[in-house]
Amino acid sequence: EPEVTQTPSHQVTQMGQEVILRCVPISNHLYFYWYRQILGQKVEFLVSFYNNEISEKSEIFDDQFSVERPDGSNFTLKIRSTKLEDSAMYFCASCSGESGTDTQYFGPGTRLTVL
Amino acid sequence: QKEVEQNSGPLSVPEGAIASLNCTYSDRGSQSFFWYRQYSGKSPELIMFIYSNGDKEDGRFTAQLNKASQYVSLLIRDSQPSDSATYLCAVKDTGGFKTIFGAGTRLFVKA
Repeated sequence: EPEVTQTPSHQVTQMGQEVILRCVPISNHLYFYWYRQILGQKVEFLVSFYNNEISEKSEIFDDQFSVERPDGSNFTLKIRSTKLEDSAMYFCASCSGESGTDTQYFGPGTRLTVL
Repeated sequence: QKEVEQNSGPLSVPEGAIASLNCTYSDRGSQSFFWYRQYSGKSPELIMFIYSNGDKEDGRFTAQLNKASQYVSLLIRDSQPSDSATYLCAVKDTGGFKTIFGAGTRLFVKA
């Protein structure tokens, strides 16, 4: 069964450093998302991406964040200058976009630790 | 601010019993509702989605939707210890692309 994959599974970085989290969505899906979950808290929406552009972003997704689909398979989240409060699990999700369904399937996540 | 509310639990049930998980949402126009299971340290795993009022059954799981009351529930029959996890209720935002998650209900199934 097709799955969303994410790399790395765990990323440790120093405050102020740039990180890039990578995702490979399910191959025929058209909508892509990033969510984050701080330990013990809710899953929070960051950004959605469709047709090679951001379709929606949350207040969390400020100028320090960016997303890109550099080729036909990868979907990346970049944090330019990490802060301690960016430490969280980051989940990529994708949705087929087929009429009548808007189910999002999640990848296994990347645990980001900012020291 | 659109909200999805769940009782955080923990909900503890004996093995073989029915577990009942509840969720309310604030956006009356919502059309798409999801239940995800999340084991500690893992990603949300889709269990069921429901779009229409009434019941939807899939194996041991039944989702129930009442749009008039803005209420979604999940019943797990014949609960197993492996069902012990956090169950996340999620609602598709009518005005955009995102899915809004509740904080989750922790379920413990005692052997």
